[in-house]
Amino acid sequence: DQQVKQNSPSLSVQEGRISILNCDYTNSMFDYFLWYKKYPAEGPTFLISISSIKDKNEDGRFTVFLNKSAKHLSLHIVPSQPGDSAVYFCAAATFQGAQKLVFGQGTRLTINP
Amino acid sequence: DARVTQTPRDKVTEMGQEVTMRCQPILGHNTVFWYRQTMMQGLELLAYFRNRAPLDDSGMPKDRFSAEMPDATLATLKIQPSEPRDSAVYFCASARHPPGELFFGEGSRLTVL
Repeated sequence: DQQVKQNSPSLSVQEGRISILNCDYTNSMFDYFLWYKKYPAEGPTFLISISSIKDKNEDGRFTVFLNKSAKHLSLHIVPSQPGDSAVYFCAAATFQGAQKLVFGQGTRLTINP
Repeated sequence: DARVTQTPRDKVTEMGQEVTMRCQPILGHNTVFWYRQTMMQGLELLAYFRNRAPLDDSGMPKDRFSAEMPDATLATLKIQPSEPRDSAVYFCASARHPPGELFFGEGSRLTVL
C-alpha cells in the first residue's frame, strides 16, 4: 500500500525551463511534506519542506505547492540547471511522528543543455 | 564535517549468508533510521530508534532481519539468512529529536546472488 506516490519515474527538461515534479498521497493524516534530492552513489539530502497550514513555500529556485483537497504536492524548479539532474523523492509525515517519513518511489530528473 | 557513515559501501554475497551493515550516526543525533531503496517501492522505512530504543520496526521482515543499537555511536542491521530479494541499497539516517532534518549516509549496496 503506497501512501506516497510519484507516478512519473523520469522527467526530461531543457536547461533554463521549468521542471515540475508531482507527488500524490493517500493518508489524510499527513501534515508535513518534504522533498529530498539524491545524486548517484550518495544519500538523499533535504531540499525543501511545507506544512499543511501553508499552500506554498519558496526557497530560491525551488517552490513547493500543496493542494490538500487533492492530496497533491508539486516541486517547481525554475530555471532548471544541469546540476539539478538527480532523483527527487517526495516524503510525508505527521507532526506527531514528524521524523517517520514515508517516501515515494522517486522521479529521475534530467536537465538537458 | 559531520556526516552519517555506513559500512560496507558494497557487499556481494551468496544466498543464505549472514550480512551485517553498520552505521555511525552524527554525534549528538538521538534518532536513527534504516531505509531500503528499491526500484518499485522507493525508500522504505525498515526501523528506527530513539535514544537507542527501538520505536518502530514494522517495516522489517522479522524472520530474517534484525536491527540494534549497541551504543549511541553504532547502529547495525543484520540479515540472516540473506535472499536474492534483499538486494537493494540500504540507507541509514540520523536526526535530532525534537523534530529535525534527517541526514542520510551514502548507503550500503547489497547484492545477494
